[in-house]
Amino acid sequence: QKEVEQNSGPLSVPEGAIASLNCTYSDRVSQSFFWYRQYSGKSPELIMSIYSNGDKEDGRFTAQLNKASQYVSLLIRDSQPSDSATYLCAVFMDSNYQLIWGAGTKLIIKP
Amino acid sequence: GAVVSQHPSWVICKSGTSVKIECRSLDFQATTMFWYRQFPKQSLMLMATSNEGSKATYEQGVEKDKFLINHASLTLSTLTVTSAHPEDSSFYICSASVRNYGYTFGSGTRLTVV
Repeated sequence: QKEVEQNSGPLSVPEGAIASLNCTYSDRVSQSFFWYRQYSGKSPELIMSIYSNGDKEDGRFTAQLNKASQYVSLLIRDSQPSDSATYLCAVFMDSNYQLIWGAGTKLIIKP
Repeated sequence: GAVVSQHPSWVICKSGTSVKIECRSLDFQATTMFWYRQFPKQSLMLMATSNEGSKATYEQGVEKDKFLINHASLTLSTLTVTSAHPEDSSFYICSASVRNYGYTFGSGTRLTVV
């Protein structure tokens, strides 16, 4: 089992709809979770970080964390074509102090 | 804040030559810098972790004599790909951990070895 798993997609969402991206992780003691956006040929950029169970909202983005079920998700409301990118989930593994990356989900927002 | 400047953005070199990639933290001190490599349509793969003033820690399978990392100051870390070959062609990215922020990345270097 991979330590951090994401559906590779592509996930196609109509413009204006809600895009839902999911990530599961294996390390039960992890405390820090990050969502990054990466455009083709560019470095990842931080979208959201979340450390506690529940929802965290920032503009059109909402991160959701459920430690009991070991998943973290990212919701993008009012999706825009500019949101089309690969979204990477990263989990800081407290067990070995490493940041582990998912393979990313490619999101396509159709105008 | 928390900006990492990485250059060059892209480089083409001949097989057998060496290439140096620099990452500078502009507004903070990076005691630890992470070096990643990313092949097309794949996730980031950690190559090594460099700590200021000490030897880098390499991940399993990464040749330390081929990928030389120097972290001589709190604001500069370099990765030198020695005797580059076409299979080393990739996107190389540096990253630093920033307290209460997460991880900030350099803009990446696209290396093409011909």
